[in-house]
Amino acid sequence: DTAVSQTPKYLVTQMGNDKSIKCEQNLGHDTMYWYKQDSKKFLKIMFSYNNKELIINETVPNRFSPKSPDKAHLNLHINSLELGDSAVYFCASSPGTGRNSPLHFGNGTRLTVT
Amino acid sequence: QKEVEQNSGPLSVPEGAIASLNCTYSDRGSQSFFWYRQYSGKSPELIMFIYSNGDKEDGRFTAQLNKASQYVSLLIRDSQPSDSATYLCAVDNFNKFYFGSGTKLNVKP
Repeated sequence: DTAVSQTPKYLVTQMGNDKSIKCEQNLGHDTMYWYKQDSKKFLKIMFSYNNKELIINETVPNRFSPKSPDKAHLNLHINSLELGDSAVYFCASSPGTGRNSPLHFGNGTRLTVT
Repeated sequence: QKEVEQNSGPLSVPEGAIASLNCTYSDRGSQSFFWYRQYSGKSPELIMFIYSNGDKEDGRFTAQLNKASQYVSLLIRDSQPSDSATYLCAVDNFNKFYFGSGTKLNVKP
């Protein structure tokens, strides 16, 4: 009965490879996000989707492409992986607009690029 | 200038003391303010949120908001060793959540 689940939990890959991270939420939330947390624990927003539509696209290399097949799923595909992509990637969801709309996080995917 | 600033710490307090964590933000249009706790190797978990000036209490936690000073704080009363974690301040501006880099709290038995 996990609320926000993402897979895989760990991902180790070589530079130049392409990889995907999947995220699903069963909270009925309208908005989903991808965040990147670097080694200094700084959480930076990457993308946000509301009901399958992209609403936030921060300054992220176009090697990163999110896809939302429905409002319960938001996947992240990364092409041509680089060493600097190593980080923990968190998927999150929120009920949507309004003040009482905190983020609910998945357990994270630790990506290591060698 | 970062949107949300926190002192990285570590902040060390003895067990039973009050821990005070502070956060400032740059965008006056920010609407809601959140405190998350993150244990090492885990995901952030929501402690509480506030959107009106003043204090909001939830158990041992009190959030304080001063929009004029663009300042948010979190007080933890009767700190326990299990409170040792990194505390992240987050600011919401039209569903765009910006996070501070977190303050590491150590509660010593």
